[in-house]
Amino acid sequence: KQEVTQIPAALSVPEGENLVLNCSFTDSAIYNLQWFRQDPGKGLTSLLLIQSSQREQTSGRLNASLDKSSGRSTLYIAASQPGDSATYLCARGSQGNLIFGKGTKLSVKP
Amino acid sequence: DTAVSQTPKYLVTQMGNDKSIKCEQNLGHDTMYWYKQDSKKFLKIMFSYNNKELIINETVPNRFSPKSPDKAHLNLHINSLELGDSAVYFCASSQGRQYSGTQYFGPGTRLLVL
Repeated sequence: KQEVTQIPAALSVPEGENLVLNCSFTDSAIYNLQWFRQDPGKGLTSLLLIQSSQREQTSGRLNASLDKSSGRSTLYIAASQPGDSATYLCARGSQGNLIFGKGTKLSVKP
Repeated sequence: DTAVSQTPKYLVTQMGNDKSIKCEQNLGHDTMYWYKQDSKKFLKIMFSYNNKELIINETVPNRFSPKSPDKAHLNLHINSLELGDSAVYFCASSQGRQYSGTQYFGPGTRLLVL
């Protein structure tokens, strides 16, 4: 069964901390691994897309890594800010499907 | 300009009714999608479609049907609405074949079936 698991389900940190969100998936035959952000009552915003041939992608304070052999991806957020508070979802893309994890709800306290 | 738009934003209707949700993208993308996010916030693909292929998630009831009048639009028709259809429905689009590129999401349509 193809599954995507995100740990932790919720995370609360003080402003300025560096943090790591984890995503694990079964079946290494992936096309890509995507990270999204969802604010309450809003749609999803794509943050980073890592193709299966890549090991990491960076955008500003965000860095996402992909290890297909272990079935893991991490999203690293540097110097967290209150505006980073949202739910972060990872999704595993493969032929004919995109499977989402249940997300990590992040709260960054000022 | 909004990249992916959906209408309506909110939809409240009675059980048994038939309704449609519209989606338009102005990004020139090849592929469009419909997702359902349930009350537990779990997001699940319903359909992906480009001009060559429709991929249907096998768990989606046949009361749900996508209609694409052109490349920029993918509407969702729902027949005989049931209470369990209450959810937020998201449209998305991407360039290239299904699931190969970055997906851009619409703001969602909140459907409540009474």
